[in-house]
Amino acid sequence: DTGVSQDPRHKITKRGQNVTFRCDPISEHNRLYWYRQTLGQGPEFLTYFQNEAQLEKSRLLSDRFSAERPKGSFSTLEIQRTEQGDSAMYLCASSLTLVQGAWGYTFGSGTRLTVV
Amino acid sequence: GDSVTQMEGPVTLSEEAFLTINCTYTATGYPSLFWYVQYPGEGLQLLLKATKADDKGSNKGFEATYRKETTSFHLEKGSVQVSDSAVYFCALISGTGANSKLTFGKGITLSVRP
Repeated sequence: DTGVSQDPRHKITKRGQNVTFRCDPISEHNRLYWYRQTLGQGPEFLTYFQNEAQLEKSRLLSDRFSAERPKGSFSTLEIQRTEQGDSAMYLCASSLTLVQGAWGYTFGSGTRLTVV
Repeated sequence: GDSVTQMEGPVTLSEEAFLTINCTYTATGYPSLFWYVQYPGEGLQLLLKATKADDKGSNKGFEATYRKETTSFHLEKGSVQVSDSAVYFCALISGTGANSKLTFGKGITLSVRP
């Protein structure tokens, strides 16, 4: 296990199309996070899973966004009816939860989405 | 809610110059504090961390001290190199268990010229 993998690295789509991104976390990590990063901003939290359960969703995650983590392994983030404002880098991270709280996040290289 | 404020950038320095990047935070309780670095074309990497007041995190010549009284976690390096050119993010985790997730500042771009 070499780290968190995200696929694809880049995606260009026309406005109104649906897109799906995949994240493969480090295998022993039970938590998986999705963040969005726009130009000149830090990563913003979207949602996270502990095993297969989605425990929290940000207000940034509109109804057009849906995330899944079947069987507590890889995760997918789908955006329906994409808008130009969805253009961003989508980052995935995983961590191993300890009693003291989430620790040791490992980030993937991200998927850069461009909506034209 | 939790927030992290970083100084405005970008920052351009000559090689071997001293670096300070300011970071202040607002959080409930006693957060853990982090600096992440993002090199061009790569993912975020943890640079250093500190989990309680007066702790000093250090890595690759970078240091930051957790200052509870000033709610700050400034990043310093005595002599920067061209290879330090990257985007630097200050971040925190507050809360435990189900509530714990990273909150990031906006980041600052550092360019080091030879």
